[in-house]
Amino acid sequence: EVQLLESGGGLVKPGGSLRLSCAASGFTFRSYSMNWVRQAPGKGLEWVASIGGSSSFIYYADSVKGRFTISRDNVDNSLYLQMNSLRAEDTAVYYCTRVFTLIAQNDMDVWGKGTTVTVSS
Amino acid sequence: QSVLTQPPSASETPGQRVTISCSGSISNVGTNPVSWYQQLPGTAPKLLIYNNNKRPSGVPDRFFGSKSGTSASLAIGGLQSEDEADYYCSAWDDSLNGRVVFGGGTKVTVL
Repeated sequence: EVQLLESGGGLVKPGGSLRLSCAASGFTFRSYSMNWVRQAPGKGLEWVASIGGSSSFIYYADSVKGRFTISRDNVDNSLYLQMNSLRAEDTAVYYCTRVFTLIAQNDMDVWGKGTTVTVSS
Repeated sequence: QSVLTQPPSASETPGQRVTISCSGSISNVGTNPVSWYQQLPGTAPKLLIYNNNKRPSGVPDRFFGSKSGTSASLAIGGLQSEDEADYYCSAWDDSLNGRVVFGGGTKVTVL
């Protein structure tokens, strides 16, 4: 079964750091680019970052550029999001997603259940 | 403020058809394919439509996507109670070094 399982969320103070992980299974992980997408409480979806299958490209939303780092380990079939200098507005459920087409980074066919990040003093 | 514009809500009675619009610009919807997602309460989003009008395996043909110029639409025919959800459009945007953009979401209510 194709599956994505996020972990690493939690409560952190403003200015703190967290590292999210996403364990992929049931497919050839290295063949797919991946995204992180977040959803603040009661709000819509917001794209955070994208990474190519071999890390050949990396993109970030302006709201996280310089603070977040997306990476992957194709041996361990894992996707990561290192989040530094966290702000209250980063509070959200963070989803790991698989991009299943080569032409559109917005074509996300597999989503994890999400992990919750709360930034509060 | 979302880059793609959707109506915040839409409603219709069971069995009827509801259409959701998604308005963008030349740098996103006007140039790149649009996808649509359904998010049921308390769950992760699910891909409904990709490449403007393609349905992934398992998505009923009651869901129909279309695009013209800088606007896209999702139509849900034969509306059912289980279609009550939030719906989001999405596209790649060529501006600002490239980014994925979403609409603000449309809450569909089955009356």
